[in-house]
Amino acid sequence: DAKTTQPTSMDCAEGRAANLPCNHSTISGNEYVYWYRQIHSQGPQYIIHGLKNNETNEMASLIITEDRKSSTLILPHATLRDTAVYYCIVRVGTGNQFYFGTGTSLTVIP
Amino acid sequence: GAVVSQHPSWVICKSGTSVKIECRSLDFQATTMFWYRQFPKQSLMLMATSNEGSKATYEQGVEKDKFLINHASLTLSTLTVTSAHPEDSSFYICSALEGHQNTEAFFGQGTRLTVV
Repeated sequence: DAKTTQPTSMDCAEGRAANLPCNHSTISGNEYVYWYRQIHSQGPQYIIHGLKNNETNEMASLIITEDRKSSTLILPHATLRDTAVYYCIVRVGTGNQFYFGTGTSLTVIP
Repeated sequence: GAVVSQHPSWVICKSGTSVKIECRSLDFQATTMFWYRQFPKQSLMLMATSNEGSKATYEQGVEKDKFLINHASLTLSTLTVTSAHPEDSSFYICSALEGHQNTEAFFGQGTRLTVV
């Protein structure tokens, strides 16, 4: 079962940073936070994951609060192709499962 | 990233027949594979977790006799929808995990099943 809550939808202007929040207040000490996105009728695409330190890769940055109860995915310069549903997932520690919540539908506006 | 391939991308079958969907990890060995189902405008729902060489673990409410999962090798898992009915029409997605924990799972492109 998903352990995360996210806003249902967000808009972002093209070229601006998109900041997508996620709450995971019941996260356990050894559980990682993962972010995926899904463009319509495709399989989810991996973006980034982290445990407690902030992470950055070529796609995005992940900021995790010190208490680990929430995180923010940052797309530094949103493009129209970033329009998708973004899922924040807390990976279950024992069984390795990825349970998807409802996600945030991000629309990048020209 | 690693590549996970599903086949077929879409399939139409008659009610009462069975359909097999394949999921392959093309450039890594997948010790664990997951099968999901997604209805229109909804999120992905985990159906089952399969580990190579052992029986799949099904999520609560998923009928194991209807959704047969086989993970016979480290690069292939199959999902067979038996005696399909129109309510089984959905988007089925697999994902694969390479060995150790705390790595990312890679997803296939999905299979659109329509039962008529």
